[in-house]
Amino acid sequence: GAVVSQHPSRVICKSGTSVKIECRSLDFQATTMFWYRQFPKQSLMLMATSNEGSKATYEQGVEKDKFLINHASLTLSTLTVTSAHPEDSSFYICSARNPPQGLPPNYGYTFGSGTRLTVV
Amino acid sequence: SQELEQSPQSLIVQEGKNLTINCTSSKTLYGLYWYKQKYGEGLIFLMMLQKGGEEKSHEKITAKLDEKKQQSSLHITASQPSHAGIYLCGAESGNNFNKFYFGSGTKLNVKP
Repeated sequence: GAVVSQHPSRVICKSGTSVKIECRSLDFQATTMFWYRQFPKQSLMLMATSNEGSKATYEQGVEKDKFLINHASLTLSTLTVTSAHPEDSSFYICSARNPPQGLPPNYGYTFGSGTRLTVV
Repeated sequence: SQELEQSPQSLIVQEGKNLTINCTSSKTLYGLYWYKQKYGEGLIFLMMLQKGGEEKSHEKITAKLDEKKQQSSLHITASQPSHAGIYLCGAESGNNFNKFYFGSGTKLNVKP
């Protein structure tokens, strides 16, 4: 089935620095990837839709200058948290839309394993 | 954007009891997904429903999509501690269904 690799799984950074999270589709081309953020005890909130070769589409309330998304190839999307602050600490997870011939159990969408970001 | 409201928000049940989680959409659903997650970990795909009236089962978990395709229910029979976690429904929305949103989530705790 389709596999999405997300790195790093955990990262601790100092306040004011930038952190890059990578999301790769390993055995298929993903023209569309999604980035989510999850706070403790809450659901996954869609941050932005990443489209290969074009600008990402951000959800209302998400600062595009703070959360830079780049989808430079059909297999890689990156999320860079710029000038990170403690309030950016969260669990970030990406997903890719499966190719049309995708079959269960990865039917529809495949998710990365997530990145836990801690800003100190 | 499409809103997916789940109920209840959290649930504590005794092992062996049955339970139901609901997911209600503000718009017609053209594909409804159910996932399980432990916070800070990846998602486990449970099942996907597409047709009104469709019902699918996986081990002791059954999900239905109602005829009007605006609500889905997830039913767990004879719950076990291994069923504990966060249950999330998800659906496509936006122009050309180019976005994927999650419901508000239901946290399940099963007491041994």
